[in-house]
Amino acid sequence: RKEVEQDPGPFNVPEGATVAFNCTYSNSASQSFFWYRQDCRKEPKLLMSVYSSGNEDGRFTAQLNRASQYISLLIRDSKLSDSATYLCAVNIGSSASKIIFGSGTRLSIRP
Amino acid sequence: DGGITQSPKYLFRKEGQNVTLSCEQNLNHDAMYWYRQDPGQGLRLIYYSQIVNDFQKGDIAEGYSVSREKKESFPLTVTSAQKNPTAFYLCASSIPRPGTGELFFGEGSRLTVL
Repeated sequence: RKEVEQDPGPFNVPEGATVAFNCTYSNSASQSFFWYRQDCRKEPKLLMSVYSSGNEDGRFTAQLNRASQYISLLIRDSKLSDSATYLCAVNIGSSASKIIFGSGTRLSIRP
Repeated sequence: DGGITQSPKYLFRKEGQNVTLSCEQNLNHDAMYWYRQDPGQGLRLIYYSQIVNDFQKGDIAEGYSVSREKKESFPLTVTSAQKNPTAFYLCASSIPRPGTGELFFGEGSRLTVL
C-alpha cells in the first residue's frame, strides 16, 4: 500500500462548480498535512496547510480526518484559473521531516 | 531575495554518464530534499537531509547519490546505475520540525538521457 494515495482524476468540471479531492495516508503517526498546486511544467507551490480543526481560505477548504486517515480539499465556485494539478503531501516523520506526496489530481475547469 | 536555485534548468546526457544537479538555498533552512517527477505523476522522494553531514534515503534512492557538506547546498548525482533517469528533478527545503514541513521548491531541472 502506498504511503499517500490520491484520487487520480482527471476532473473536468464547468466554471462555478464545486469540486472535492481526497487523499488517504497509511501512517497513523503522520504529523502534518498539506495541499500543493502545480501548474504545467512548474514547481509545486503551497496552497494550504491542513489542520485538525479544518481551515478555509476563500473558496478553498481543507479538512483532516485522523480517524479515517484522510485529508480533503474542497474548491467552491471554481474559476478557469483553478485548472492545475493538486498534490497532497504528508509529513510522515516522527522526529524528522519526511514529506511524501500523492500522485496528484489533475483538474480542468471548462468555460 | 531568499530562495532555492537549481541548475542547470535543462540537461542532456548520454547513457552511461554520471551527471550532478546543483541545489543551493539561502533561506537558512536545515532540511533539504530531492524529488523526482515523471510525466503525469506525483513527486517521489529520492533523498532528504535534516542537517549538515547527514542524509537519508527516500523511496527511490537507487542509482542516485547526494552530499550535504554545507547547509546551503545539497547536490544530487544521477549515476549510470539509474536505469531510467529521464525526469523532472525538484529540490526543496524546509524547517524540520515535527508538525510542520512546508516545502519551498526550486524551479526544477529537466534531465533527458539520449
